[in-house]
Amino acid sequence: EPEVTQTPSHQVTQMGQEVILRCVPISNHLYFYWYRQILGQKVEFLVSFYNNEISEKSEIFDDQFSVERPDGSNFTLKIRSTKLEDSAMYFCASGGGLETGELFFGEGSRLTVL
Amino acid sequence: AQSVAQPEDQVNVAEGNPLTVKCTYSVSGNPYLFWYVQYPNRGLQFLLKYITGDNLVKGSYGFEAEFNKSQTSFHLKKPSALVSDSALYFCAVRDMPFNDKIIFGKGTRLHILP
Repeated sequence: EPEVTQTPSHQVTQMGQEVILRCVPISNHLYFYWYRQILGQKVEFLVSFYNNEISEKSEIFDDQFSVERPDGSNFTLKIRSTKLEDSAMYFCASGGGLETGELFFGEGSRLTVL
Repeated sequence: AQSVAQPEDQVNVAEGNPLTVKCTYSVSGNPYLFWYVQYPNRGLQFLLKYITGDNLVKGSYGFEAEFNKSQTSFHLKKPSALVSDSALYFCAVRDMPFNDKIIFGKGTRLHILP
């Protein structure tokens, strides 16, 4: 069964450092997303990506964040200068289309900022 | 703007008894509604969805949910709970046709007592 894969599973970084989280969405999907979850609580929308551009972003997704689909298979989230409050579990998701509905999530990348 | 409310932080049910996890939503257009489950240190796993059609939808692991437009609710139900159903459950909504993002409720922890 196809699945969304994320790397790394856990990353520890120092405040102010750049971090790149990587995702390989399901191959025939067209819509890509990043969400985050702090301490096992609410799942917060960060950004959606379609047709090689951002389609929506939340207020969390400020200038420190960026997304890219560099090679047609990977989908990356970059945080330029990490803050302590960026510590969270980051989930990548993909979907086949808006009419089909559901998103498929990866297992997440845990980011710890010290 | 779309929103989802899960009024219960935790629901406790004895094994073998029926369970209900509540969810209400608010959208501007047509709601696409979803339930996801999260086990400890795992990603979000899709359970079921309502897009259109029959108000009672059936999903994985014996779960079902009833769409009620007048009450703007989409409660998750199961006739007979199992200890293995213990997990964190999230209700989610996409506001069609205005958004491609899915917004999640804060989650309800389901605890099935043996």
